[in-house]
Amino acid sequence: DTEVTQTPKHLVMGMTNKKSLKCEQHMGHRAMYWYKQKAKKPPELMFVYSYEKLSINESVPSRFSPECPNSSLLNLHLHALQPEDSALYLCASSQDGSGGEDTQYFGPGTRLTVL
Amino acid sequence: AQTVTQSQPEMSVQEAETVTLSCTYDTSESDYYLFWYKQPPSRQMILVIRQEAYKQQNATENRFSVNFQKAAKSFSLKISDSQLGDAAMYFCAYSRDDKIIFGKGTRLHILP
Repeated sequence: DTEVTQTPKHLVMGMTNKKSLKCEQHMGHRAMYWYKQKAKKPPELMFVYSYEKLSINESVPSRFSPECPNSSLLNLHLHALQPEDSALYLCASSQDGSGGEDTQYFGPGTRLTVL
Repeated sequence: AQTVTQSQPEMSVQEAETVTLSCTYDTSESDYYLFWYKQPPSRQMILVIRQEAYKQQNATENRFSVNFQKAAKSFSLKISDSQLGDAAMYFCAYSRDDKIIFGKGTRLHILP
């Protein structure tokens, strides 16, 4: 089973709202990732959570904050977003994330629209 | 820094024919992974095929195969007997440790 699930599928929010995106995997993977993907572009890495350690892409603004409640869940909290944050947000997981089995399996994504 | 280049923004192929998508990459490492991902209009990134750099044998998955040329840093994807369901954006990717670098993608159209 190589399933990564994401909720919600679609989200529309105002610039003053606070919302969260959820990602879950049941493959026993030790690394999880958040990506942002704009139309007709490749995914851009935002965060990596591997072996309980968070790595952040320094270009990601602080209005995005990840949270890892347990090894199978990775949330992305959104606050005071801007219209340019509208994009497809993809979650992925991999078995190891530290030089071992590096294959990343992706979820179906959340289409976010910021008004 | 590692880079991945896909020189074909779009390609078209007749149904049932064979098509090859090109990918080149740059790295100074000797151990790494290479991937082809497919992203159909449904948006989900689907792993098509994986190649481990230390394996000389080209990976194959049913109708999908790669031509991995390590010295030339080339990793092309061949799709045989193209089907309508193969229409998608295809991303070539390089991975080492917890970092993956994607190419800009090739949009593949299947002509009935």
